[in-house]
Amino acid sequence: KQEVTQIPAALSVPEGENLVLNCSFTDSAIYNLQWFRQDPGKGLTSLLLIQSSQREQTSGRLNASLDKSSGRSTLYIAASQPGDSATYLCAVSPDDYKLSFGAGTTVTVRA
Amino acid sequence: GAVVSQHPSWVICKSGTSVKIECRSLDFQATTMFWYRQFPKQSLMLMATSNEGSKATYEQGVEKDKFLINHASLTLSTLTVTSAHPEDSSFYICSATSGRHYEQYFGPGTRLTVT
Repeated sequence: KQEVTQIPAALSVPEGENLVLNCSFTDSAIYNLQWFRQDPGKGLTSLLLIQSSQREQTSGRLNASLDKSSGRSTLYIAASQPGDSATYLCAVSPDDYKLSFGAGTTVTVRA
Repeated sequence: GAVVSQHPSWVICKSGTSVKIECRSLDFQATTMFWYRQFPKQSLMLMATSNEGSKATYEQGVEKDKFLINHASLTLSTLTVTSAHPEDSSFYICSATSGRHYEQYFGPGTRLTVT
């Protein structure tokens, strides 16, 4: 059974600092990996999707890397802003269908 | 991007009653919808997968007679929590997709509180 772990569980940084969020998964046989953002009491917003054949994806200040063989992904958020405060979830899919989620990293960016 | 709505956004019900939650894809046809539940500070746990016009497939440990799922059309799936108990209190989120290899779009979630 796929297990997805996100470390740290919570993170607090001053505005402007770069953020590094980690995700690890136990079964490297994945089809893709996604990073989501969840605001309190809200649904999920997809941030980045990395196919298993890719090493990284970038969107604006966000960059996500994938090392499938070691079962790791890292989400980098450059020059953090208070609006980046949210919970970030990592999810992997074995077949581009079902998703297995990590518990998330709750980020607080202090103004 | 595609939009998925859920109704209601929050609901409070008494123990022993049933509650229905709707999930709608507003601007695309969803051949498949997924239902998740999320406890505070925990990850989303997949409860079931529903394909339009067929019975839902439940994940191990999910009681299909308690969580009734209907996917009667390409834009609507419903989750009915029957004989709700306080331990069913949770955040329920649905997602919808046009099919395999297509992105899943998530609804805003429904907060259920059973008193």
